[in-house]
Amino acid sequence: KAGVTQTPRYLIKTRGQQVTLSCSPISGHRSVSWYQQTPGQGLQFLFEYFSETQRNKGNFPGRFSGRQFSNSRSEMNVSTLELGDSALYLCASSLAAGGNTGELFFGEGSRLTVL
Amino acid sequence: EDQVTQSPEALRLQEGESSSLNCSYTVSGLRGLFWYRQDPGKGPEFLFTLYSAGEEKEKERLKATLTKKESFLHITAPKPEDSATYLCAVQATGGSYIPTFGRGTSLIVHP
Repeated sequence: KAGVTQTPRYLIKTRGQQVTLSCSPISGHRSVSWYQQTPGQGLQFLFEYFSETQRNKGNFPGRFSGRQFSNSRSEMNVSTLELGDSALYLCASSLAAGGNTGELFFGEGSRLTVL
Repeated sequence: EDQVTQSPEALRLQEGESSSLNCSYTVSGLRGLFWYRQDPGKGPEFLFTLYSAGEEKEKERLKATLTKKESFLHITAPKPEDSATYLCAVQATGGSYIPTFGRGTSLIVHP
């Protein structure tokens, strides 16, 4: 059974640019969550999607957005990149039957560097 | 606000030297506590879920325990391949069920 797939794995952008990251969840998983991981802040929740609807959102500015498609694949977008957006962006999927079980299956992440 | 504090931040052990990692939490009501392992350059990998005080889970050299205020991850006779960052997360009852993660304990096991 294939795991969570994230693309691209590494990318370098400059301030002011925008970036789109992609996530394909485990087959059958309908919930996709996005997290930002930095050495200083640890894992910070960005948002969660279930059946193409955003169900929860973390405390991030509006420059961070996402969406989910009918096949459960998800994308997140960061506009007007800032240096502080450099981080590992992790996608996690779960069965979410009746609500998030807390058991998340993570991808290997997209490492974003903003210069 | 839910809070998770992990200690120590970093731990160095010799192969075979048993130890414990701590996860202290503050939550209005605990729905579940989770342990994950994260290797460098990889995403976290789920290890255990604990739901109530007194519960224990084991997997190979790892054993997780839970009290009303904290959880311990005991590592018995560790091997170098146990080197990783161990993350703890809590999920609260009511409201959002999004887990809150601690900052992790970086474990290095020397041969």
